[in-house]
Amino acid sequence: DAKTTQPPSMDCAEGRAANLPCNHSTISGNEYVYWYRQIHSQGPQYIIHGLKNNETNEMASLIITEDRKSSTLILPHATLRDTAVYYCIANYNTDKLIFGTGTRLQVFP
Amino acid sequence: GAGVSQSPSNKVTEKGKDVELRCDPISGHTALYWYRQSLGQGLEFLIYFQGNSAPDKSGLPSDRFSAERTGGSVSTLTIQRTQQEDSAVYLCASSASGPSFPLHFGNGTRLTVT
Repeated sequence: DAKTTQPPSMDCAEGRAANLPCNHSTISGNEYVYWYRQIHSQGPQYIIHGLKNNETNEMASLIITEDRKSSTLILPHATLRDTAVYYCIANYNTDKLIFGTGTRLQVFP
Repeated sequence: GAGVSQSPSNKVTEKGKDVELRCDPISGHTALYWYRQSLGQGLEFLIYFQGNSAPDKSGLPSDRFSAERTGGSVSTLTIQRTQQEDSAVYLCASSASGPSFPLHFGNGTRLTVT
């Protein structure tokens, strides 16, 4: 599995876009990039995933660089309820997703 | 529809006792996963089931840990002779098989070994 690197913490003002970076420079061609988040005292929640193309759903957008060595998760209008730990994972399948330490996003009023 | 259900939500046990943790996956999900999360730590992969088979048991911390899945549905994680270091939140997830299907997690069982 490709190792991912994320900043340990980030702040974002409510209503602004939150841009969470992830480095996965050793990713292989068949590995997807998955994003999950974990709100305090809850199980992780799936956000989005992609292989090569940028992806968008009702929760977020995922921008993957052309060389696939990094990606950015974008929450377009962050709310206080988006305060959570965000995990970026690179894997070819979901058989054994390895969660790292993630980025702790704090959204402030 | 119903999500992944785990029971009990909280369990306090004495050191040396055995415990069973239960996971009811989303109906129709063929894959089931167990993770644990110690206080303030990340998620640690324990085991994965495809149907009733566990292709990868390498994450189980010791031979005191075992898991089974019956009927392609309910799974039980058993910890024998519990130790204080087993205290953690045990999380279960399920998914349809394949890389495009996300994991759906339950809210976990908080195990405290006294």
